Amino acid sequence: SAVISQKPSRDICQRGTSLTIQCQVDSQVTMMFWYRQQPGQSLTLIATANQGSEATYESGFVIDKFPISRPNLTFSTLTVSNMSPEDSSIYLCSVVGTSAYEQYFGPGTRLTVT
Amino acid sequence: GQQLNQSPQSMFIQEGEDVSMNCTSSSIFNTWLWYKQDPGEGPVLLIALYKAGELTSNGRLTAQFGITRKDSFLNISAPIPSDVGIYFCAGQNTGTASKLTFGTGTRLQVTL
Repeated sequence: SAVISQKPSRDICQRGTSLTIQCQVDSQVTMMFWYRQQPGQSLTLIATANQGSEATYESGFVIDKFPISRPNLTFSTLTVSNMSPEDSSIYLCSVVGTSAYEQYFGPGTRLTVT
Repeated sequence: GQQLNQSPQSMFIQEGEDVSMNCTSSSIFNTWLWYKQDPGEGPVLLIALYKAGELTSNGRLTAQFGITRKDSFLNISAPIPSDVGIYFCAGQNTGTASKLTFGTGTRLQVTL
């Protein structure tokens, strides 16, 4: 499976600011995703990060709040914009492995908004 | 959105006793995945199931893809303290570009 890293691993941010989270993979992958895990909850898909085109967002998530970039096949960023305490969550990127059905996750970025 | 229900919500390891957990959905899936998440870490893929009725093992873990394609089960034999964590099931359909729908999670704990 691919080795996935995320930066930062955690951050504490003030209300109204924005944070950009980076996801780096050690090999080229076709599909990358961003998930949110609210405290004590399961994972919810935010969007599919498409290389060279706009991300595909799930219901309840919009580009203005969660802009995503994917400039190449090994890197993506997720920005959490105009943050509020409700955005305090773990944000995880994932990639699809050589099997089209197996998905692997990064270590996550723990965000606290005060 | 759609959610998969897992039960039990939490359970304790009893020495010498296998543990089982299950995951149910209101709709069918073509693939079931089981993950384990430790505190402060991302989920780690344990087992992938691709066919209804399939039974697959990974060490002490065994998972089954339900015949109706609406459920899946995970069994851990002879659990040990390092098995503690949160176990998530996830369903996937081939027509949805690898998108995963996650279950609510089962927290496995050890009795002090």
